[in-house]
Amino acid sequence: QKEVEQNSGPLSVPEGAIASLNCTYSDRVSQSFFWYRQYSGKSPELIMSIYSNGDKEDGRFTAQLNKASQYVSLLIRDSQPSDSATYLCAVKKTNAGKSTFGDGTTLTVKP
Amino acid sequence: DVKVTQSSRYLVKRTGEKVFLECVQDMDHENMFWYRQDPGLGLRLIYFSYDVKMKEKGDIPEGYSVSREKKERFSLILESASTNQTSMYLCASSGAQYLSDFGPGTRLTVT
Repeated sequence: QKEVEQNSGPLSVPEGAIASLNCTYSDRVSQSFFWYRQYSGKSPELIMSIYSNGDKEDGRFTAQLNKASQYVSLLIRDSQPSDSATYLCAVKKTNAGKSTFGDGTTLTVKP
Repeated sequence: DVKVTQSSRYLVKRTGEKVFLECVQDMDHENMFWYRQDPGLGLRLIYFSYDVKMKEKGDIPEGYSVSREKKERFSLILESASTNQTSMYLCASSGAQYLSDFGPGTRLTVT
């Protein structure tokens, strides 16, 4: 079992819709959770971090964390074609230096 | 606005060659990382460093070594390049809890 698993995708949504990206993790001691966006041919960039159960909103992005279910998600409201990218979920254990990444979900937003 | 730079964007080497990949950050970060990214396998951690002359193995250290003689520089060394090391190599640094800054990547081809 992989430490961090994401929907393999690809995910396609129409412009203006809500895109929902999901991630599960296997280690219950995980404490920090991150979403990165990676455009084709570019490096990943951090877009959201979440550390406690519940929702965290930043503009059109909402991260949701449920530690009991070992589940973290990213919602993108009013999706735009510029949101088309691969989204990487990453998990980190407190006091450990490394982040473990999922394989990523590729999102396409169609005009 | 230079943050994390890598010595080459594209590199072609022959099997058996010793390969050096250089990474430099200008943010005074303590932590630096080397990842490789392959289709279907996501981002995998090779080595990371918490401080000068400190190093820790990641998930796939076999065939690689690292050097960190100065805080701003973290080098990845392929002692004897093999074709299965053909990949995109990403350097990253962080001074905080999360992995914040990636370099542009080096696409290495070993023939």
